[in-house]
Amino acid sequence: GENVEQHPSTLSVQEGDSAVIKCTYSDSASNYFPWYKQELGKRPQLIIDIRSNVGEKKDQRIAVTLNKTAKHFSLHITETQPEDSAVYFCAAFPSGTYKYIFGTGTRLKVLA
Amino acid sequence: DTGVSQDPRHKITKRGQNVTFRCDPISEHNRLYWYRQTLGQGPEFLTYFQNEAQLEKSRLLSDRFSAERPKGSFSTLEIQRTEQGDSAMYLCASSLDGAYGFFGPGTRLTVL
Repeated sequence: GENVEQHPSTLSVQEGDSAVIKCTYSDSASNYFPWYKQELGKRPQLIIDIRSNVGEKKDQRIAVTLNKTAKHFSLHITETQPEDSAVYFCAAFPSGTYKYIFGTGTRLKVLA
Repeated sequence: DTGVSQDPRHKITKRGQNVTFRCDPISEHNRLYWYRQTLGQGPEFLTYFQNEAQLEKSRLLSDRFSAERPKGSFSTLEIQRTEQGDSAMYLCASSLDGAYGFFGPGTRLTVL
């Protein structure tokens, strides 16, 4: 069945450094890949997304890259700030279904 | 607040009781999803509605779970004969065709 693996499960970086979170999906027909940020006790919120016809997308300090051949996609956060500390989830949207398959999450800690 | 709303926010019940949760999506959104999230895990897909039609249901969902969206607006999720394993955060999300999902604040269920 569809599966999304996410690494690492926890990530600590110094303020100002970059953070990279990687995901691998199993269904090659997946065509949409959102990233969600979830702060403690709050709802997941979309921070960036990418569709399968694009290799990279940037939004200020956040970027996502997609390698369709390898079925990998990654989240890159530059110049990290303490408010970036949260759990980040990647997700894949397999073609032909209506559901998002979420990764297991990465707890990012930005140390001041 | 024009976002997705859920009611109640918290529910404590005894094992064996029935519970019902409500989700009000963003008004023009035709797609509605229910997810379940346990501590340290990503959201797990439960079911999907397009307008009033339930088009997909997780195979993991037992017969004790049922969901409705009678007029294509709000949705309810009912759990019958609750078990301790049902304790989780139940998240609702809505979207417009082809767009990403906006999550509600969730209903935290505790089964004693």
